[in-house]
Formats: sequence, structure tokens, C-alpha cells
Amino acid sequence: GESVGLHLPTLSVQEGDNSIINCAYSNSASDYFIWYKQESGKGPQFIIDIRSNMDKRQGQRVTVLLNKTVKHLSLQIAATQPGDSAVYFCAEKAAGNKLTFGGGTRVLVKP
Amino acid sequence: KAGVTQTPRYLIKTRGQQVTLSCSPISGHRSVSWYQQTPGQGLQFLFEYFSETQRNKGNFPGRFSGRQFSNSRSEMNVSTLELGDSALYLCASMSGMNTEAFFGQGTRLTVV
Repeated sequence: GESVGLHLPTLSVQEGDNSIINCAYSNSASDYFIWYKQESGKGPQFIIDIRSNMDKRQGQRVTVLLNKTVKHLSLQIAATQPGDSAVYFCAEKAAGNKLTFGGGTRVLVKP
Repeated sequence: KAGVTQTPRYLIKTRGQQVTLSCSPISGHRSVSWYQQTPGQGLQFLFEYFSETQRNKGNFPGRFSGRQFSNSRSEMNVSTLELGDSALYLCASMSGMNTEAFFGQGTRLTVV
């Protein structure tokens, strides 16, 4: 069945270092993937997306990598800042506009 | 351009009651999806509406229902509330297929 999972529930990173958040998905029919950031008391905020015909996409300080062979998605945050502290979710979409979310990874940025 | 607006932000209801939550999508967006977020189950898809029609439905009991109006605003209703319905209910707005989903701040529902 469909499932999206995360390997690390909590990631502590030193300010200025790079962060890598990983995500495994199981639905090979998924053709669109999104990373969201959620801060306390707020709804998920779109970070970056990638379609299945790509394997890498870059944004401002963020890069998403997609490996369809092993059904793996990762989010890289360059020069992590205190404002990056949040819970990060990956989501996949196979049919319609239904998103299937992973369990989330909490990123804690240490000063 | 205004974002996704959900009202109310907070609700406290008693078991057995019903509740209606409202979502106004981004102007021009015709797809509205609803999600339930709980610490134990994470973010789970409830249903999606597009042009006033339910296009997708998640694995929730029939107590959970929704509708969409001609102006794309959507409401979801939960009847016969249970303690386990306590959650953050999130609405997402999309302009089309395979486009980013923008979320509102959510409605925090507490059932006592």
C-alpha cells in the first residue's frame, strides 16, 4: 500500500552546517513529491517540489534529490539557520491531488 | 494575494456534537483538500473537492463529510464527535494537478 516514511525523527544540526533529511516512499506510481516545513502553531509551508521525470531540483538554500530506483527522497538545507528549526514532511502524490505524508522529522538548530 | 483562510482557528466541542469548519482557498484555486493532523497518525487525507465535486476520499468514517461552493470555498463537517476527533484540521488549496498545495493555518478542534 501507499506509505511514505522518514528514517530520523529528530535531527540536531549546528548553525551554519548543512542538513539532510531523508524520506522513503513505497508507491512507485507516485509522480510528484513535495517537501513541507511546519512550525509550531502553523500549517505546513511549501518548500520545494520535484516531479518524477527529474532527479534533482534546487531552490534557495534547499535541494531536493529523487532516486526512483530505491524510492528515496532527500531534502538538503545549506547553511542551516535558527529559523530552519521546524518539523519537515515529505509528501507524495500518485492519483488526483491526494498527498500522502511521511511521519515528519524535527530539525533542531543549535547556535 | 491572500493565502488560504481557515475559520475558526480554535474550537472546543463536546462528545456527540457536530462541527463545521470553513476554508477559503487562494483566489483562482479550484481544488480544496482537507487533512487531519494528530500526533499519533500524522497528516492524513480526508477528501478533495474540485468544482463542487468530491474527487477523492480518504479512509475516514461517514461522520466526516464536506462540500464545496461555487466560489470554491469549502466546508467540512464532523458529526457525532468522538474524543479521537481532536486534531488539527488543515485545508490545502491547489490551482491544478501536480502543482504545489498551499495550506491554511488549520483549525484546532478539541473534543471533551
